[in-house]
Amino acid sequence: NAGVMQNPRHLVRRRGQEARLRCSPMKGHSHVYWYRQLPEEGLKFMVYLQKENIIDESGMPKERFSAEFPKEGPSILRIQQVVRGDSAAYFCASSPQGREKLFFGSGTQLSVL
Amino acid sequence: DAKTTQPPSMDCAEGRAANLPCNHSTISGNEYVYWYRQIHSQGPQYIIHGLKNNETNEMASLIITEDRKSSTLILPHATLRDTAVYYCIGFSGNTGKLIFGQGTTLQVKP
Repeated sequence: NAGVMQNPRHLVRRRGQEARLRCSPMKGHSHVYWYRQLPEEGLKFMVYLQKENIIDESGMPKERFSAEFPKEGPSILRIQQVVRGDSAAYFCASSPQGREKLFFGSGTQLSVL
Repeated sequence: DAKTTQPPSMDCAEGRAANLPCNHSTISGNEYVYWYRQIHSQGPQYIIHGLKNNETNEMASLIITEDRKSSTLILPHATLRDTAVYYCIGFSGNTGKLIFGQGTTLQVKP
């Protein structure tokens, strides 16, 4: 049973480009969460999604960031017009029904040049 | 979900038990106490959780006080690979998200 899969593991973008981060939850899990960890800081909640629905996006920056979890395929965290301050580790987690323990992926390290 | 308080750092000798405390005095009756850890640069790893009773699994034991205002995570025989940041989180599932605090950095020394 594969765990939460995130890709790419490392992503390098120049300022102004777009970054797309992918997350495939564990089999049977329909709830996905995205967290961001800036260098030397703690994990910050960004967004919580269920299939085709955004449940809670209270941690998402108002501009340039968006997330989706379509009926088919992985969840996508999209960052438009990246800036150096977006450089961070982005972690995805999933759970079966949204009220129990979360399983985390290995993260995507985004570096903005 | 409850606010938790943990010491910022702790040391433990390899092979000895590591006891990590957590205060959660505002925890509500339906909130579980969850423990996760993050080994450098990796994704957080679930350790254990409990509501009222003490819990034990292959990784650790969780001791929750009777009034539920605090708990202790016990790693019975710490190894160097247990060096990590340990997070104690109060979680009911009502908000649907885990909120991570600063955690305790545990350094296991040879």
